[in-house]
Amino acid sequence: QKEVEQDPGPLSVPEGAIVSLNCTYSNSAFQYFMWYRQYSRKGPELLMYTYSSGNKEDGRFTAQVDKSSKYISLFIRDSQPSDSATYLCAMSGRFNTDKLIFGTGTRLQVFP
Amino acid sequence: DVKVTQSSRYLVKRTGEKVFLECVQDMDHENMFWYRQDPGLGLRLIYFSYDVKMKEKGDIPEGYSVSREKKERFSLILESASTNQTSMYLCASEQGRQETQYFGPGTRLLVL
Repeated sequence: QKEVEQDPGPLSVPEGAIVSLNCTYSNSAFQYFMWYRQYSRKGPELLMYTYSSGNKEDGRFTAQVDKSSKYISLFIRDSQPSDSATYLCAMSGRFNTDKLIFGTGTRLQVFP
Repeated sequence: DVKVTQSSRYLVKRTGEKVFLECVQDMDHENMFWYRQDPGLGLRLIYFSYDVKMKEKGDIPEGYSVSREKKERFSLILESASTNQTSMYLCASEQGRQETQYFGPGTRLLVL
């Protein structure tokens, strides 16, 4: 079993839709949770960063962490064609020796 | 604005060639990483470095070596390229553990 599981998609939605992207994980020691966005043929860029449980909002994006269920989500409101990309979740524990573990990414396509 | 640059965007090499991939970051970050990204497998850590002249093996170091002679520069070396090393190679840097990793644009390597 992988430490981090993420549905590869593709997920295809119309412009304006609410998108929900999810990851599950098995390691209860994970404390830091991130979402990266990766456009085609580019490197990943950080979108959201949360520590421990709870919600974090930034514009149209909301990151949610449920540590009891070992489940994290990224919601995109009013999705735009420019949101079309692959979204990678990533997480790590609190020790300096803990590596960042990535999901395999979900490909999202928003059509006009 | 953090910038991580990689020496080449696309590279075509022959089996058995020695390949150098170079990464430079301009934010005085302590930690640097090399990943490879393959469809369905996500990002896999090859090597990382927490200090100049220091290196640590990641999850898939076989067939690779690294060099960090200066803080801003981290090189990945394929001693004798093989076709199974055809991949997207991503370099990243971070100021400290549990902080944001910033990625370069990636190098697409094709080994024939």
